[in-house]
Amino acid sequence: RKEVEQDPGPFNVPEGATVAFNCTYSNSASQSFFWYRQDCRKEPKLLMSVYSSGNEDGRFTAQLNRASQYISLLIRDSKLSDSATYLCVVDGSSNTGKLIFGQGTTLQVKP
Amino acid sequence: SQTIHQWPATLVQPVGSPLSLECTVEGTSNPNLYWYRQAAGRGLQLLFYSVGIGQISSEVPQNLSASRPQDRQFILSSKKLLLSDSGFYLCAWGRQGAGLQFFGPGTRLTVL
Repeated sequence: RKEVEQDPGPFNVPEGATVAFNCTYSNSASQSFFWYRQDCRKEPKLLMSVYSSGNEDGRFTAQLNRASQYISLLIRDSKLSDSATYLCVVDGSSNTGKLIFGQGTTLQVKP
Repeated sequence: SQTIHQWPATLVQPVGSPLSLECTVEGTSNPNLYWYRQAAGRGLQLLFYSVGIGQISSEVPQNLSASRPQDRQFILSSKKLLLSDSGFYLCAWGRQGAGLQFFGPGTRLTVL
């Protein structure tokens, strides 16, 4: 079983749609969770951290379910500029700061 | 503020040639440093990480090596490149004890 699993997609949605991505992780001891965004041929960039209580940043909402070991990202009112690959990221060993990256979910927002 | 630099941005090398990729971080001290590779259409694979000068941990056996000669400098090397070494090489830094990592712009390596 992969340490972090995501549906690779692609998710093709029209502008204005709401889309949700899920991710599961295997290490129940993980404490830190993130969503990164990666544009084509660019480096990953932090989109948002994921907190136990859930958190929102504009059109983006992240949720964490520790009991089921899954993380979600909801994007409302999709824009063309949201087209990218979204990486689910979970911490590994705390003293080294290692992160475990999912393979990513590709989103294509169409006009 | 902190910035991370990588060079070169792109590189085309023949099989069997040596490699040296450099990464430097500014605006922070004693960072954790990481080298990743991303093959075309694939996820990020952690190659090496370092928690201090001269300290290198290797994640996977391979044709590459890493060094950290200074606190904010991380170098990825190979003596003889293989075709399978082609990919997008990303350097990242993170604070000691914190989970977040920040990536450099990457080097796109093509081995012919």
